[in-house]
Amino acid sequence: QKEVEQNSGPLSVPEGAIASLNCTYSDRGSQSFFWYRQYSGKSPELIMSIYSNGDKEDGRFTAQLNKASQYVSLLIRDSQPSDSATYLCAPQFGAAGNKLTFGGGTRVLVKP
Amino acid sequence: GAVVSQHPSRVICKSGTSVKIECRSLDFQATTMFWYRQFPKQSLMLMATSNEGSKATYEQGVEKDKFLINHASLTLSTLTVTSAHPEDSSFYICSAPGLAGGGNIQYFGAGTRLSVL
Repeated sequence: QKEVEQNSGPLSVPEGAIASLNCTYSDRGSQSFFWYRQYSGKSPELIMSIYSNGDKEDGRFTAQLNKASQYVSLLIRDSQPSDSATYLCAPQFGAAGNKLTFGGGTRVLVKP
Repeated sequence: GAVVSQHPSRVICKSGTSVKIECRSLDFQATTMFWYRQFPKQSLMLMATSNEGSKATYEQGVEKDKFLINHASLTLSTLTVTSAHPEDSSFYICSAPGLAGGGNIQYFGAGTRLSVL
């Protein structure tokens, strides 16, 4: 069973602080990793993609990947109330073609 | 980025009726599209992979005869929920992969909220 594990939260952070989200996955063959943000009642929107070990920064978001530990994380700097949403980790498992397997999501609440 | 259009955004229907949901890739071609279902406070669950010009591939536990998928062109996939019942009420979302940033990115439609009375 291919699995993706995320802490369901809610992760409560004060406005302006850093939110740190973690994700572990079971398939060592995974090559591509995605973080999606989903607001309540809406479909997911892509935040970050990462393919190589290390850090990747895009604006206030930084994704970190460690394939040896089967771990991927997302940092949100200078958190804003508009960042309040559920964040979904989605590895693309090695033998699954374009299919994504979603974690349960971490709900983030940014308090003004 | 690429755009995926999903229609309708919301459907309310009586039990026993069939409902068709359309998913279109507007500015790119998609030989493959994916259909997901999401129940309240749960994550997205992949239902099936829609393949242009051939049969869809269904995930384990998804009834093929109940959730009919047709992918007749490179830009359109449809999901028909046949003989819908209240337990089929859910948020249905489609996605299509497109190339961006050196990898395959999944672009999602806006979703269809189905309510079966």
